[in-house]
Amino acid sequence: GDSVTQMEGPVTLSEEAFLTINCTYTATGYPSLFWYVQYPGEGLQLLLKATKADDKGSNKGFEATYRKETTSFHLEKGSVQVSDSAVYFCALSDRNNNAGNMLTFGGGTRLMVKP
Amino acid sequence: EPEVTQTPSHQVTQMGQEVILRCVPISNHLYFYWYRQILGQKVEFLVSFYNNEISEKSEIFDDQFSVERPDGSNFTLKIRSTKLEDSAMYFCASSGPGYSPLHFGNGTRLTVT
Repeated sequence: GDSVTQMEGPVTLSEEAFLTINCTYTATGYPSLFWYVQYPGEGLQLLLKATKADDKGSNKGFEATYRKETTSFHLEKGSVQVSDSAVYFCALSDRNNNAGNMLTFGGGTRLMVKP
Repeated sequence: EPEVTQTPSHQVTQMGQEVILRCVPISNHLYFYWYRQILGQKVEFLVSFYNNEISEKSEIFDDQFSVERPDGSNFTLKIRSTKLEDSAMYFCASSGPGYSPLHFGNGTRLTVT
């Protein structure tokens, strides 16, 4: 079955540091890939997505490139802020039936950014 | 921007009791979902709902669970007889057609004592 593996956290960085959160996946088809973010006390928010190989998703300074050859979708940001402290979830969807866009999530990576 | 809203934000119930978790999806969305996240674990798919019927469900979604869209706006998850292991954060989500991204609510934290 489908699965998503993320690096375990917590990841602790100083403000303005470079961030990488690794994500790899296994899927039977050609999945779409997503990063969701969960701020404290809130629900899951879509951060960015990529729907085919070599696509780059980007939002709020975060980027991730869909690498089919390495089955990866690593999240990066050049300069993190304290407000980026949250839990980040990598997810995939490879459904094309009428189940909509059902997601398989990774375990989540907590990011803590210190001033 | 339209939001998915869930109520209540926190529900405490005793083992064996029935609970209903409520969600109002985004109004023009077609697909509706429930996910759950046991503390410290992955977010897990429970069920998807389309065209007034379940389109897919996971192994977790056994006979104790049911979903309903009673009035065209609300989407509910019922657990008939709660167990301690049902304690989790339950997220409702909705999406438009095809591969539209899921929009999640803020979740309902269910505590079974």
